[in-house]
Amino acid sequence: DGGITQSPKYLFRKEGQNVTLSCEQNLNHDAMYWYRQDPGQGLRLIYYSQIVNDFQKGDIAEGYSVSREKKESFPLTVTSAQKNPTAFYLCASSRDERLDQPQHFGDGTRLSIL
Amino acid sequence: SQQGEEDPQALSIQEGENATMNCSYKTSINNLQWYRQNSGRGLVHLILIRSNEREKHSGRLRVTLDTSKKSSSLLITASRAADTASYFCATALTDSWGKLQFGAGTQVVVTP
Repeated sequence: DGGITQSPKYLFRKEGQNVTLSCEQNLNHDAMYWYRQDPGQGLRLIYYSQIVNDFQKGDIAEGYSVSREKKESFPLTVTSAQKNPTAFYLCASSRDERLDQPQHFGDGTRLSIL
Repeated sequence: SQQGEEDPQALSIQEGENATMNCSYKTSINNLQWYRQNSGRGLVHLILIRSNEREKHSGRLRVTLDTSKKSSSLLITASRAADTASYFCATALTDSWGKLQFGAGTQVVVTP
């Protein structure tokens, strides 16, 4: 079945440590997105990529980095510069960047601080 | 501030009842989408309504859009326990590419 796979499901970070969240899709979608979800709030866009080897900052990119070397993969690194990383991270994809494309989501990674 | 804001924040109903939630937004949109999120899971796309549409149906879901009032509503008819979830509206702005802006969501609990 086609879909988006995020791993790991739970992740713990120590002070000063960078951690990488994995996102893989087999939907043959061009566009991919990373969101952060905090309790009681909606999703906020961290980074997005409209095509391989290209990505753009979203609304809250500080302290995060991404790469898009393959169409299927869009990993997110939470760096030590992100002082409040505890959140639920969601990866999504859409067929392309057009406005009328629904987004398909993975089941998220919950990141906590040790 | 968020583009879309849902009302109410939480809703508790019994099976068989209808559930209605509203979404208000601030700027011109190309379309508005509704998503569902079960606890601890990702979002699932429910329905998309374009700015030139007024009403759309999908199974037990009915969505309306009033662009003059910058508001939308989602109606779930004959609710089931399996409808228990958070529901989010997301707006696609006319001057953006595929970027969506999400509201804070409505938590719906359907009791048997």
